[in-house]
Amino acid sequence: DAGITQSPRHKVTETGTPVTLRCHQTENHRYMYWYRQDPGHGLRLIHYSYGVKDTDKGEVSDGYSVSRSKTEDFLLTLESATSSQTSVYFCAISDFGTSGRVGGELFFGEGSRLTVL
Amino acid sequence: AQKITQTQPGMFVQEKEAVTLDCTYDTSDPSYGLFWYKQPSSGEMIFLIYQGSYDQQNATEGRYSLNFQKARKSANLVISASQLGDSAMYFCAMREGTNAGKSTFGDGTTLTVKP
Repeated sequence: DAGITQSPRHKVTETGTPVTLRCHQTENHRYMYWYRQDPGHGLRLIHYSYGVKDTDKGEVSDGYSVSRSKTEDFLLTLESATSSQTSVYFCAISDFGTSGRVGGELFFGEGSRLTVL
Repeated sequence: AQKITQTQPGMFVQEKEAVTLDCTYDTSDPSYGLFWYKQPSSGEMIFLIYQGSYDQQNATEGRYSLNFQKARKSANLVISASQLGDSAMYFCAMREGTNAGKSTFGDGTTLTVKP
């Protein structure tokens, strides 16, 4: 199993407060992703990273920022949480394009359940 | 337009029988990858199977096979000899081109295996 850990696993916060979710990997994979999962929407990409300090937006990036200062860590920040950001957040990693691998399958963390009151 | 469509919100299958979960996709890129993931009630996401757009044969992984029909843009998951542990949500996903391995997901199909 891919070594990915997310923290915190559960968090309840109030509207307007900042929140940071952390994803840590031990696989040295180049790509890291943050997805959110909501009922009826599957998984939607928030942001992704293709290297240290290299990040880009996904389809639902408004209200979120990310940072990757080390290969193993990818942080997702909600600067001012809103109730619409209540969701389950998944971090994923991929070794797509490295060592000849062309699949791009994702390996996921356990998920972080965030509730914004 | 949705890039990945899973038209079956819920499916039931009898234990030991085979079941097909439907997935259609939409892309104009000739290079893409198709994936299936499983999400049990415990919540983790598990990669099951991958099919590349240039692969000539359908992918297989144990009891899982991907019925790839390129002209119809379909990538159905077939689970043979269903087991109670197969009860879960199943997601179809697509990576287009060589774009950073980003995957777009369908809304999922909930499979329930009956004893």
